[in-house]
Amino acid sequence: NAGVMQNPRHLVRRRGQEARLRCSPMKGHSHVYWYRQLPEEGLKFMVYLQKENIIDESGMPKERFSAEFPKEGPSILRIQQVVRGDSAAYFCASSELPIYGYTFGSGTRLTVV
Amino acid sequence: KQEVTQIPAALSVPEGENLVLNCSFTDSAIYNLQWFRQDPGKGLTSLLLIQSSQREQTSGRLNASLDKSSGRSTLYIAASQPGDSATYLCAVSGETSGSRLTFGEGTQLTVNP
Repeated sequence: NAGVMQNPRHLVRRRGQEARLRCSPMKGHSHVYWYRQLPEEGLKFMVYLQKENIIDESGMPKERFSAEFPKEGPSILRIQQVVRGDSAAYFCASSELPIYGYTFGSGTRLTVV
Repeated sequence: KQEVTQIPAALSVPEGENLVLNCSFTDSAIYNLQWFRQDPGKGLTSLLLIQSSQREQTSGRLNASLDKSSGRSTLYIAASQPGDSATYLCAVSGETSGSRLTFGEGTQLTVNP
């Protein structure tokens, strides 16, 4: 089991471009969570998805950010028209059931120049 | 709203010392509590998961306790080693936050040879 796979590990985008971050959960895990860690800050919840459904997006900015977890393929976190304040590490976690705990990926470090 | 606090924010100890990291949470209606380790520029590694019905969990030199009624958990590290140097994060999931994790700000541990 390869664990939670995130790619790319590092992503550089110019202001105004789009960023697409991918997350493949562990085999057998149908619950996916995205978290953001701003420089020198803690991890903040963004969105919780199950296959084809957004369960909780209360932590996600209302504009420019979207997430999906299609029936086939990885979960995608999409940031449109990136700004410098979007520079952060974005982590994905998956679980089989939340009571079993969560496994995190290595993260994608987004730098907006 | 669940809030998680970790004390101390930073800790520096000589190799071989036993140490305790503290975590407190404001809402005792939790499903579970999980301790993670984060190395600089890396992802999160799960250390221990304690269900709300449990009092403690042990893995090697690590022991985590949970006092749900008082909203506290401690992570005990025995015979610390330089390789233990990292940021230790406490996170809870619970009824008020759905299944998403609420993180503390972390304790940055440095073990000096």
